[in-house]
Amino acid sequence: NAGVTQTPKFQVLKTGQSMTLQCAQDMNHEYMSWYRQDPGMGLRLIHYSVGAGITDQGEVPNGYNVSRSTTEDFPLRLLSAAPSQTSVYFCASSPGGRNTGELFFGEGSRLTVL
Amino acid sequence: QQQVKQSPQSLIVQKGGISIINCAYENTAFDYFPWYQQFPGKGPALLIAIRPDVSEKKEGRFTISFNKSAKQFSLHIMDSQPGDSATYFCAARKNTGFQKLVFGTGTRLLVSP
Repeated sequence: NAGVTQTPKFQVLKTGQSMTLQCAQDMNHEYMSWYRQDPGMGLRLIHYSVGAGITDQGEVPNGYNVSRSTTEDFPLRLLSAAPSQTSVYFCASSPGGRNTGELFFGEGSRLTVL
Repeated sequence: QQQVKQSPQSLIVQKGGISIINCAYENTAFDYFPWYQQFPGKGPALLIAIRPDVSEKKEGRFTISFNKSAKQFSLHIMDSQPGDSATYFCAARKNTGFQKLVFGTGTRLLVSP
């Protein structure tokens, strides 16, 4: 089982460029989410989805877009990259319902915006 | 604002010693408190978790102690090993339909041989 797969692992962008971070999960999980990890700030929720066609904003959504057309995929789009978006991005999935709060994370995508 | 405060930021423990990481929260709507372990270059992975109706949970060398009245919880790693060297995040979940976890700022643990 691959679990949660993120691509690319590394990316360098110039200010103003756009790009999409890809996330795919093969566990048939209902919930998916994107976090960013910055030194001294832990992990902060950007956007999340509770099912195909349903997305919502997290704690730090500005500058990012998401969509969820299938259960498996949850891409994160940076519309116009800014240096403040330099970070490590993690995609996570979890089963639906309230029985478990366990998140399954991908290995991360390290983004540098110059 | 930081809803879950974690300390210390970094910790060095000798092999065989006890590692202790503390977290505090304010929001009484939190109903689930997990700890995640992250190795360099990897994503976080669930280590152990507790619900507020229990004061302690132990899994092998890892124990969560939970003090509901003080709104504090801590992770204890007994007989710490070099392989435990990682970053540890505490987290808390609000009792909503989605597992919207709020994470602490992380503790980088180094266990010296």
